[in-house]
Amino acid sequence: KNEVEQSPQNLTAQEGEFITINCSYSVGISALHWLQQHPGGGIVSLFMLSSGKKKHGRLIATINIQEKHSSLHITASHPRDSAVYICAVDIQGAQKLVFGQGTRLTINP
Amino acid sequence: DAGVIQSPRHEVTEMGQEVTLRCKPISGHDYLFWYRQTMMRGLELLIYFNNNVPIDDSGMPEDRFSAKMPNASFSTLKIQPSEPRDSAVYFCASSDRVRGNEQFFGPGTRLTVL
Repeated sequence: KNEVEQSPQNLTAQEGEFITINCSYSVGISALHWLQQHPGGGIVSLFMLSSGKKKHGRLIATINIQEKHSSLHITASHPRDSAVYICAVDIQGAQKLVFGQGTRLTINP
Repeated sequence: DAGVIQSPRHEVTEMGQEVTLRCKPISGHDYLFWYRQTMMRGLELLIYFNNNVPIDDSGMPEDRFSAKMPNASFSTLKIQPSEPRDSAVYFCASSDRVRGNEQFFGPGTRLTVL
């Protein structure tokens, strides 16, 4: 079993829909990251969080440390949000990221 | 700042050849990471450095892979000899622990070994 599991693996939605991507982990962490990778490959850090909730524009990330679970929400989704979203965790006591397998999101106009 | 810089962006080589990938981290960052991304295995950490010192190389697949960081502004990942199964996208990332550990990724090097 992977240390970081994401769901769903693939998600297709219509423009304007509210999107939720989930991430569960099984190890002790110091922080959790949400990354975005567009076709063509570049990886961008969206959020790094260790508790509570963070918001940036239409994106919201939450984390529940007790349940070892995080969610990434996109409100009013747009085709330009189409990308792979990757959850990664900072292993506690080690300066290294462990990655989920990614969620491929497609937003149709 | 220009961000993390990687070169080359694309590399095509033949099996058995030596390949060297290069990375320039963001100035002032004290951590540098090398990752590999494949369709089958996703993103994997190969090795990371702190203040130019290798800290964890447990992700390096085998002795054919080596990484160096001779100074704070330059790192290399070398594969010798290369094999077709090394074909992947290799990312370099850097972070600043004092400023919170967010990792900044380079654009990646797409390696194809024929």
